[in-house]
Amino acid sequence: EIVLTQSPGTLSLSPGERATLSCRASQSVYTTYLAWYQQKHGQAPRLLIYGASTRATGIPDRFSGTGSGTNFTLTINRLEPEDFAVYYCQHFGTSPWTFGQGTKVEN
Amino acid sequence: QVHLVESGGGVVQPGTSLTLSCAASGFTFSTHALHWVRQAPGRGLEWVTAISHDGTKQHYVDSVRGRFTTSRDNSKNTLELQLNSLRPEDTAVYYCVRGVDTAWFSAFGFWGQGTAVTVSS
Repeated sequence: EIVLTQSPGTLSLSPGERATLSCRASQSVYTTYLAWYQQKHGQAPRLLIYGASTRATGIPDRFSGTGSGTNFTLTINRLEPEDFAVYYCQHFGTSPWTFGQGTKVEN
Repeated sequence: QVHLVESGGGVVQPGTSLTLSCAASGFTFSTHALHWVRQAPGRGLEWVTAISHDGTKQHYVDSVRGRFTTSRDNSKNTLELQLNSLRPEDTAVYYCVRGVDTAWFSAFGFWGQGTAVTVSS
């Protein structure tokens, strides 16, 4: 099982600032199978990034994903008020599919 | 437009059973693998089970294997999750999920709104 560890647990920022979220895998993974999701309170998660760096349909370009091997990063440039949420990374290249524990981006 | 609607959640006692359903529309149901993902109150996301497009292959997370069974009816565009021997730690919102494409390993592009299961005496 691939374990994903996200850091920090909580990120306290203001609108307009940049958020940098980390996801570390317990073993090397193909970038093809690394995704990021956003979840707002009371809502279902939404796919942001897959293939480590490809934005999903309708995702603004202030969201970007980078990384390879065991280290992946989600960057949110110029935080908008609607970006304050919890973010999860996911590996979907083997069973069990796994998620990181999440990073909360708060204002 | 892809639409996934879960139903069947509720409050049940430990040791009992429950069946969740997911009604799908807006895409060719029989060509996509489907998943259930759950989220316990105040906790993160946990993948629970996957079923292949034709229903011949299922995978489960260790904590539910032998207790939960996923199935699908491609003639009715429905996905089901049979939850047996329920435990308090199974309390969660259960989401029905579809990948962005027809690959077995596909990012989770489409989610239902979830159905809540509470296991409590």
